[in-house]
Amino acid sequence: RKEVEQDPGPFNVPEGATVAFNCTYSNSASQSFFWYRQDCRKEPKLLMSVYSSGNEDGRFTAQLNRASQYISLLIRDSKLSDSATYLCVVSGSGAGSYQLTFGKGTKLSVIP
Amino acid sequence: EAGVAQSPRYKIIEKRQSVAFWCNPISGHATLYWYQQILGQGPKLLIQFQNNGVVDDSQLPKDRFSAERLKGVDSTLKIQPAKLEDSAVYLCASSLGGIYTDTQYFGPGTRLTVL
Repeated sequence: RKEVEQDPGPFNVPEGATVAFNCTYSNSASQSFFWYRQDCRKEPKLLMSVYSSGNEDGRFTAQLNRASQYISLLIRDSKLSDSATYLCVVSGSGAGSYQLTFGKGTKLSVIP
Repeated sequence: EAGVAQSPRYKIIEKRQSVAFWCNPISGHATLYWYQQILGQGPKLLIQFQNNGVVDDSQLPKDRFSAERLKGVDSTLKIQPAKLEDSAVYLCASSLGGIYTDTQYFGPGTRLTVL
């Protein structure tokens, strides 16, 4: 089983739609969880951290289920500018190394 | 505040040649990371430095890859000799202290093509 698994997509959705991405991770000792966004031919940038209590940032909502080792990202009222690849990331799985382990990413295209 | 700087932005070489990449992290960031991102994949950590010491290089192919951060600031990553499968974007990232919740900031990357 891969360390971090995501559906690669692509997800093609119309403007204004709601879209959800899911991610599973294999290491139950993982400490921290994030969603990064990567635009085409650009570097990854932190979108939001993910907490067990769930967290929301505007149109974006992230959820973590530690028991199921499952992370989700919900985007409401999609905008054209949301088109990007969304990377699910976990950290803290290596003792003292604090390294990030990335999924392959899910590609989103928001269509006019 | 200046971001993570990397150079060159693009490099094309033939297999068996050598190549070096440079990274200057955000000022004051103690932790520096080098990642390899192959097309269609997520970034994969190659090496992590805390100041000038190596914290984790378990995924660095040490027969051909080397990296250093001698003064605990900027860093170089070298490939010698390069193989076709080394074609990828090499991303440098830095963070303040390397704890689990530390935000990593990525540079623009160096896109390497090996012919």
